[in-house]
Amino acid sequence: GDSVTQMEGPVTLSEEAFLTINCTYTATGYPSLFWYVQYPGEGLQLLLKATKADDKGSNKGFEATYRKETTSFHLEKGSVQVSDSAVYFCALSPLNAGGTSYGKLTFGQGTILTVHP
Amino acid sequence: ETGVTQTPRHLVMGMTNKKSLKCEQHLGHNAMYWYKQSAKKPLELMFVYNFKEQTENNSVPSRFSPECPNSSHLFLHLHTLQPEDSALYLCASSQDGLEAGKSANVLTFGAGSRLTVL
Repeated sequence: GDSVTQMEGPVTLSEEAFLTINCTYTATGYPSLFWYVQYPGEGLQLLLKATKADDKGSNKGFEATYRKETTSFHLEKGSVQVSDSAVYFCALSPLNAGGTSYGKLTFGQGTILTVHP
Repeated sequence: ETGVTQTPRHLVMGMTNKKSLKCEQHLGHNAMYWYKQSAKKPLELMFVYNFKEQTENNSVPSRFSPECPNSSHLFLHLHTLQPEDSALYLCASSQDGLEAGKSANVLTFGAGSRLTVL
């Protein structure tokens, strides 16, 4: 079945440091890929997405590129802020028999990020 | 406020109690979901409803009983739960299908209901 594997956390960085959170996946065909973020006491929010190979999703300074050849979707940010402290989830949405995606997502286990001033 | 509202935010119940979690979405979406979030585990999809019809039940124990009376409301009825059922239960909605365009597959989550079973 489909699966998503994220790097183990927690990740602790100083403000303005470079961030990478690794994500690899196993799925048939060409799933859509997502990063969601969960701030303390809140539900998950979509951070960015990519729907086909070589697509780059970006939002709030975060980027991730859909790499079909390495089945990866690593999250990066050049300069993190204290306000980026949260849990980050990588996820995929498979294709159904008709060749279209639908909303049943498979999530990774989440990576806790803490940024210190 | 994301457009998906969950109540109650916190619930403590004994193993013999019966309670319900409620979810309401004001986004006009056609699909709704229950996910379970436990510490140090991936989010687990429990149930999926599409146009009020249940399309997915991920081998969830019968002590969890979903109900979707219309496309805007989703309930999770709880009875005779176990302490290991303590978790954050997240409701989500999405607009699915070819007509959804760029918003397809994007889940909007509620803030969750934190359940503690004693």
